[in-house]
Amino acid sequence: KAGVTQTPRYLIKTRGQQVTLSCSPISGHRSVSWYQQTPGQGLQFLFEYFSETQRNKGNFPGRFSGRQFSNSRSEMNVSTLELGDSALYLCASSLAGGGASGVQQFFGPGTRLTVL
Amino acid sequence: GQNIDQPTEMTATEGAIVQINCTYQTSGFNGLFWYQQHAGEAPTFLSYNVLDGLEEKGRFSSFLSRSKGYSYLLLKELQMKDSASYLCAVRRNQAGTALIFGKGTTLSVSS
Repeated sequence: KAGVTQTPRYLIKTRGQQVTLSCSPISGHRSVSWYQQTPGQGLQFLFEYFSETQRNKGNFPGRFSGRQFSNSRSEMNVSTLELGDSALYLCASSLAGGGASGVQQFFGPGTRLTVL
Repeated sequence: GQNIDQPTEMTATEGAIVQINCTYQTSGFNGLFWYQQHAGEAPTFLSYNVLDGLEEKGRFSSFLSRSKGYSYLLLKELQMKDSASYLCAVRRNQAGTALIFGKGTTLSVSS
C-alpha cells in the first residue's frame, strides 16, 4: 500500500505570493491533517479535514486555508506569504476509525517551503 | 492553553537505556503518542497510550499517568540508528485525530 504523498517536495516563493500544497493520503484513509514544522516551534497543527469538512483548526491566521476533496486528497493554501512562513509542511492521514489503529497518523515526506 | 514539555536534548551510549520524559497540560485528553523523526525524514509512529500504565513493544516502552499529566518513552539496548528526534504528542479531541506536539527531544547515541 502506497504511503502518504505530498507535492511538490520543494518550493521557493517570494513575499506576497500565494502557494498551494497537495497531499494524497493512504488509500482508505479518510482524515487528513496538516502541520507546520520549524526549528524554533517544532510541529504545529494547522487543520484537520474529514469527509471534505474541516473538523479541527489550530491557531494560525486566516491566510492559511485548506480543503479536502471527495477522494480524500487535500490541499492547503497560504496567501500573502511572509518570511516566517518558511517551514516544512507535513501532511498526515489516518483511518479515523476506532481504536489505536484508527487514530494513528501516518506522515508524508513534507513540502519544504522557502519564502524569500 | 496547551503545553507539552520534554527535554530539548539527551545523549547516551550504545547498549544503554534512556528515558525521555514528557509532561502535558492540555484542554482535553484522548491519548498520547510518541513519534520518532530522523533528520530530513517524516515522523514515524512509535507508541500510543490512552490508559494509565506501560505499553511495551520490543526495545521501546511507553508509560502514561493521566492524573499526573506525565508520560515517558523508554529505549533499551540503544543503537546508533536510534539517534533521532522523539516527539511527544497529545490527541485532545475525541472527534478527530489532530495532535498537539511537544518540541521534541533530540537523542544522540554515541559508541
